[in-house]
Amino acid sequence: ELKVEQNPLFLSMQEGKNYTIYCNYSTTSDRLYWYRQDPGKSLESLFVLLSNGAVKQEGRLMASLDTKARLSTLHITAAVHDLSATYFCAVNAGNNRKLIWGLGTSLAVNP
Amino acid sequence: DTGVSQDPRHKITKRGQNVTFRCDPISEHNRLYWYRQTLGQGPEFLTYFQNEAQLEKSRLLSDRFSAERPKGSFSTLEIQRTEQGDSAMYLCASRLWTPPLTGELFFGEGSRLTVL
Repeated sequence: ELKVEQNPLFLSMQEGKNYTIYCNYSTTSDRLYWYRQDPGKSLESLFVLLSNGAVKQEGRLMASLDTKARLSTLHITAAVHDLSATYFCAVNAGNNRKLIWGLGTSLAVNP
Repeated sequence: DTGVSQDPRHKITKRGQNVTFRCDPISEHNRLYWYRQTLGQGPEFLTYFQNEAQLEKSRLLSDRFSAERPKGSFSTLEIQRTEQGDSAMYLCASRLWTPPLTGELFFGEGSRLTVL
């Protein structure tokens, strides 16, 4: 059974600092997703990573994928308060491509 | 296109009552998924449709839950005889599935259920 683990689950950081969130998954998959969720809101797609070595960047967020290590990272550069949210990674599973989700990383960026 | 829409956004009900949620996917999307999310957890897969056919239902889903997608357009998720443990956010998502391409999954705003 495919499992997805995120680390850390909670992250409190100061504005201007850098940090990385890690996502490990247990079996091979053809793509990995990063989503953002604000409190009480739905899920917003951030990145879709399709292949080994894929790197995507949007603003202060950069995601990468290492399929051999079954690891994805979400790097935050010079954090700002607006980035405070919960970040989920998810992986395609099985022929029906349903997503298996990590528990999420709750990020708080403090002034 | 306004994206995936869900209705109602919030529902408060008493234990034992039935509730129904509706999801309107993005019009050209042929796959529709239902997920459930509780506080502090990631979304949990419930079921999904390819057009009007329900292709998989989670074994975690009791027989009190039923979903339909008549005509392959909107979908409904009904919970009968609600229990307090059913309190959660119910999320609908859709995508265009054209193998080998897997389209991006778009989520609705969710329907929050509170069972008293």
